[in-house]
Amino acid sequence: DTEVTQTPKHLVMGMTNKKSLKCEQHMGHRAMYWYKQKAKKPPELMFVYSYEKLSINESVPSRFSPECPNSSLLNLHLHALQPEDSALYLCASSQDWLGGNTEAFFGQGTRLTVV
Amino acid sequence: AQSVTQLGSHVSVSEGALVLLRCNYSSSVPPYLFWYVQYPNQGLQLLLKYTTGATLVKGINGFEAEFKKSETSFHLTKPSAHMSDAAEYFCAVESKSTFGDGTTLTVKP
Repeated sequence: DTEVTQTPKHLVMGMTNKKSLKCEQHMGHRAMYWYKQKAKKPPELMFVYSYEKLSINESVPSRFSPECPNSSLLNLHLHALQPEDSALYLCASSQDWLGGNTEAFFGQGTRLTVV
Repeated sequence: AQSVTQLGSHVSVSEGALVLLRCNYSSSVPPYLFWYVQYPNQGLQLLLKYTTGATLVKGINGFEAEFKKSETSFHLTKPSAHMSDAAEYFCAVESKSTFGDGTTLTVKP
């Protein structure tokens, strides 16, 4: 199984809502990532978990809260988002974070619209 | 710091024509380099990667890329474009956070 599964595929939420994005992989990868991607732009790294510990937070606003319950699961909790947070949110995994020769496996993304 | 530059944000070719997407890297040491493809409303998918060894790397869907240290380049090619190749292509360097700005490939019938 070489898949990274993200749910939901689409999400519309109001600025006062609380929602969560979910990501799952069963490849035994020890690094998991959240990216934000705007249209016609490359993915922007938000968070990196390595061995279930938060290793990188790219100065992401606190209205985004990541969680790694176990080595296969990654969540992104959303609260009080702004319309400019509307984007495609991608989850990815790789064998490890520091291995430069290991590629990332991406999920299909969650298309988030904040209204 | 490592970085990659993709020359040409849009490339348009006719079906059956050669595809050439350009990527140049900046690194003090030979880096690991990747090409990813993204179809509309999808995640990124690895096409190929250069780590060590052979400088001509073959990937999926008939794509290949050549690592040229003297030119600090890692251009992506395909001899004959297919309509299904229309997508966004990203070059990336090893950190998993450093992507090029992307090149949109359009294939005309």
